[in-house]
Amino acid sequence: GAVVSQHPSRVICKSGTSVKIECRSLDFQATTMFWYRQFPKQSLMLMATSNEGSKATYEQGVEKDKFLINHASLTLSTLTVTSAHPEDSSFYICSARGRGTDTQYFGPGTRLTVL
Amino acid sequence: EDKVVQSPLSLVVHEGDTVTLNCSYEVTNFRSLLWYKQEKKAPTFLFMLTSSGIEKKSGRLSSILDKKELSSILNITATQTGDSAIYLCAVVDTGNQFYFGTGTSLTVIP
Repeated sequence: GAVVSQHPSRVICKSGTSVKIECRSLDFQATTMFWYRQFPKQSLMLMATSNEGSKATYEQGVEKDKFLINHASLTLSTLTVTSAHPEDSSFYICSARGRGTDTQYFGPGTRLTVL
Repeated sequence: EDKVVQSPLSLVVHEGDTVTLNCSYEVTNFRSLLWYKQEKKAPTFLFMLTSSGIEKKSGRLSSILDKKELSSILNITATQTGDSAIYLCAVVDTGNQFYFGTGTSLTVIP
């Protein structure tokens, strides 16, 4: 089946630094990628949707200048948390969807801890 | 290779029917199994299961985990059109890595 990977799986950084998280579709072309953030009690919040070659569409309340999303190719999307602060500490999950299908394939997630 | 498999892939039922969705997993260092309902935006959390044999219930939805069989089922009784969605199963390991299934697409017709 389709596989989506994320890198790194865990990252610890100092406050004020920027962190980049990669999401790759390993065996299919992901025309659309989604970025989620996990909140307490297992809930997931959709942060943004990105289509290959175009700007990401951010959900209301998500700062686009803080969470930079790039979907430069059909197999790679990146989320950069700029000037990270402790409140950005969370679990970030990406998912990818190929052309003409509704099925989303989820990545394993990245745990970000900002000290 | 760790993986989660859901069945069936899709299901069409009439209102009032009862459905059972299946999730089986092969995940080393299992910690918990989660069920989500995905309609539009982010998946909505339904249940978290960690112990075998203990049923979790919320209204018409219920779920149970069988660690011996490495599986879980999600039951929906007296289905309504609002239950139409994709139901996702995810297993979390002790390293907090998520393994999602591809989901079961449920359509409930009036």
